[in-house]
Amino acid sequence: DAEITQSPRHKITETGRQVTLACHQTWNHNNMFWYRQDLGHGLRLIHYSYGVQDTNKGEVSDGYSVSRSNTEDLPLTLESAASSQTSVYFCANGSNQPQHFGDGTRLSIL
Amino acid sequence: TQLLEQSPQFLSIQEGENLTVYCNSSSVFSSLQWYRQEPGEGPVLLVTVVTGGEVKKLKRLTFQFGDARKDSSLHITAAQPGDTGLYLCAGAQGAGGTSYGKLTFGQGTILTVHP
Repeated sequence: DAEITQSPRHKITETGRQVTLACHQTWNHNNMFWYRQDLGHGLRLIHYSYGVQDTNKGEVSDGYSVSRSNTEDLPLTLESAASSQTSVYFCANGSNQPQHFGDGTRLSIL
Repeated sequence: TQLLEQSPQFLSIQEGENLTVYCNSSSVFSSLQWYRQEPGEGPVLLVTVVTGGEVKKLKRLTFQFGDARKDSSLHITAAQPGDTGLYLCAGAQGAGGTSYGKLTFGQGTILTVHP
């Protein structure tokens, strides 16, 4: 069965460190998305990609970057982790709107 | 900033009861998605509605998109414990590919169905 997988599932790091969260899909969808989910804010779009070499900023992109070198992967990088970036991060894909979500990465920044 | 208000925030009912979750906005959406999320997992897409007045059924779940495409509802008939979870609505604005992923999410409704 096709999947969308995120790793790691949990991570604790310190402020100022660079962190990369992985997202890998076997659906072969062009569209991939990164969201963060926080109490009181719901799900918010960080970055998205509509295909290889295409990346775009979402609503809350400051402090984050993505790259899309192939169809399967959209890694999310926190350049210099801040405590405000403690959250649960979800990767999603779809042929148009998000259809499949990964199970999330719970990131704690101390 | 577009807002999507979901109500109620919490719903605790007995197995076999019916329920309705509402999603309201002052903004017009080109499409609206409903997702269900369980603890420790990502949201799962249940349905997408795109036409004003549209009604879609998924077994015991009935989804309706308002005529003006500003609101939506999810009705569950004869709820079961397996329906327990967080229900999220999410609206998209704009047409075509440039709207993909740019969803306004509601805060969610936490549904608990007791056996």
